[in-house]
Order: sequence, then C-alpha cells, then structure tokens
Amino acid sequence: RKEVEQDPGPFNVPEGATVAFNCTYSNSASQSFFWYRQDCRKEPKLLMSVYSSGNEDGRFTAQLNRASQYISLLIRDSKLSDSATYLCVVGFNKFYFGSGTKLNVKP
Amino acid sequence: GAGVSQSPRYKVAKRGQDVALRCDPISGHVSLFWYQQALGQGPEFLTYFQNEAQLDKSGLPSDRFFAERPEGSVSTLKIQRTQQEDSAVYLCASSLERANQPQHFGDGTRLSIL
Repeated sequence: RKEVEQDPGPFNVPEGATVAFNCTYSNSASQSFFWYRQDCRKEPKLLMSVYSSGNEDGRFTAQLNRASQYISLLIRDSKLSDSATYLCVVGFNKFYFGSGTKLNVKP
Repeated sequence: GAGVSQSPRYKVAKRGQDVALRCDPISGHVSLFWYQQALGQGPEFLTYFQNEAQLDKSGLPSDRFFAERPEGSVSTLKIQRTQQEDSAVYLCASSLERANQPQHFGDGTRLSIL
C-alpha cells in the first residue's frame, strides 16, 4: 500500500468553478502536510502547508482530518492558470508524495 | 535570492556509463534531499542530508547510486553503470532546518539512458 494516495483525475472544470481534491495517507504518526503544485515539465512548487485547524490562502483552502487520515484542497473561482498537477505531501522524518491529481480548467 | 540550482538540466548517457548530477541548495539551508520522479508519478525519496551528514539513504534503489555533500552545501548524486530504468527526472530540494519543514525544489535534471 502506498504511503499517500490521490485520485489521478483529470478533473476538468470550467472557469469559476469550485473544485476539491482529497488525499489519504497511511501513517497515523505523520506530522507535516503540504500541497505542492507541479506544472508540466517543471519542478514542484509549494502551494500551502496544511495545519490541523485548517487554513486558507486566497482562493485555496486546506483541511486536515487526522481521524480519517486525509487532507483536502479546495479551490474556489478556478482560473485557467490553476491548471496543473496538485501533489499531496505527507511528512514523517521524510516526505512522501502522492502521484498527483491533474486539474484542467477550461474557458 | 537564488533558489535551488541543479545541473545539468538534461543529460543523455549510454547504458553502462557513470553520471554525476549536481545540486546547489539555497544558501543557509541545512537539509538537502534527492528525489527521483518517473513520468506521471510523484517524486520518490532517494536520500537526505543534514549539513554534511547523510541521515537517510533508504530510498536509493541500488548500490549503483551514491550521494555526497562533503562540505554541507553542494551535493552530488552519482549513478554508476547506468541502466535504462534509471531514466527519470532527478529533483533536489532543500529546507531551512528540520526535515519536516517545507522543501524548495530545483528545476531537476532530466536523465535519459540510451
């Protein structure tokens, strides 16, 4: 079983839509959680850390559910520029990456 | 300030050759990580340094892979007797202090083994 599991998608949504991704992790002792964004043939870039109480950064909201061992990312008012692959990252001494969820935002 | 710098950006080698990939982390970053990313997959952990100490090399796929960071800054990932399955993007990341802090990635080296 993989440490981190994500739905690969793709999620095809129109501009302005709200879209949400979930990611599950297997190690209950995991301590740190992040969402990274990766554009095609580019390096992963930190989108946001995920805190226990949930956190928001503009149109992006991240949530952590320790009991069910999943984290989520909500994107409101999707922009064309949000099209990318979103990587869920879970850390316990080292980072484990999901395979990514691909998002396509269409005009 | 400068981000994580990796070189070369692209490397083509014949099967059996040795290759060396370089990573220059963000200045002052204590922790350095190497990852391997296959097409359509997330990055897979290879190894981790804190300063010059290699604290975890559990992800290195075989003894053909070797990494070093002798002075606690620049790191080199060496792959000996390359095989076709070594073809991937090799990403380097650094973080300020502890391993669990956000990591900042370089552009990666795209390695193709013919």
